[in-house]
Amino acid sequence: EIVLTQSPATLSLSPGERATLSCRASQSVSSYLAWYQQKPGQAPRLLIYDASNRATGIPARFSGSGSGTDFTLTISSLEPEDFAIYYCQQRSSWPLTFGPGTTVDIK
Amino acid sequence: EVQLVESGGGLVQPGGSLKLSCAASGLSLSSQSMNWVRQAPGKGLEWVSHISSSSSTYYADSVKGRFTISRDYAKNSLSLQMNSLRDEDTAVYYCARGAFDNWGQGTLVIVSS
Repeated sequence: EIVLTQSPATLSLSPGERATLSCRASQSVSSYLAWYQQKPGQAPRLLIYDASNRATGIPARFSGSGSGTDFTLTISSLEPEDFAIYYCQQRSSWPLTFGPGTTVDIK
Repeated sequence: EVQLVESGGGLVQPGGSLKLSCAASGLSLSSQSMNWVRQAPGKGLEWVSHISSSSSTYYADSVKGRFTISRDYAKNSLSLQMNSLRDEDTAVYYCARGAFDNWGQGTLVIVSS
């Protein structure tokens, strides 16, 4: 099973600041890495798939990069609605796995 | 517009069974791969099961042999038959399209005596 590690666990930032979230895989997942945003009481929302492709309707301030074992989600300038939990997920091999999440909260 | 609506959650005793359903509108499940994902209270996301467009199935080790994913073509719905339920199966269960680009709102399963 591929284990995903996310860092930091919590990121405290102010609106307008840049957020950089990391996801590391225990073995290569090529580019089969996705990012999700989840707000309290809501289902997750797909942000990025295949490491760097924005899903439909996702604002351009969200970008993903990386390949192999190291990946980054960047939010270029935080909007109030971006404060949430972010999960990475590998789709390279079964079982599919999620990272433990990074909470982006308001400083 | 694609819409997924889960149902069937509730309170069940350890060792019991429950069947979850996911009704789809705006897409035909017969040609879609689909997933179940769960989230224990206050915890992260855990992938549970996948059914491919050709009906190949995959399961997390934690549910293998106890859960069965299937499609109901007539009802255009997805199901998850859950047997031998354990306390640790308590979670909100979401259905999601194969690419995880559409999710339902979730249904809560509580396993407790």
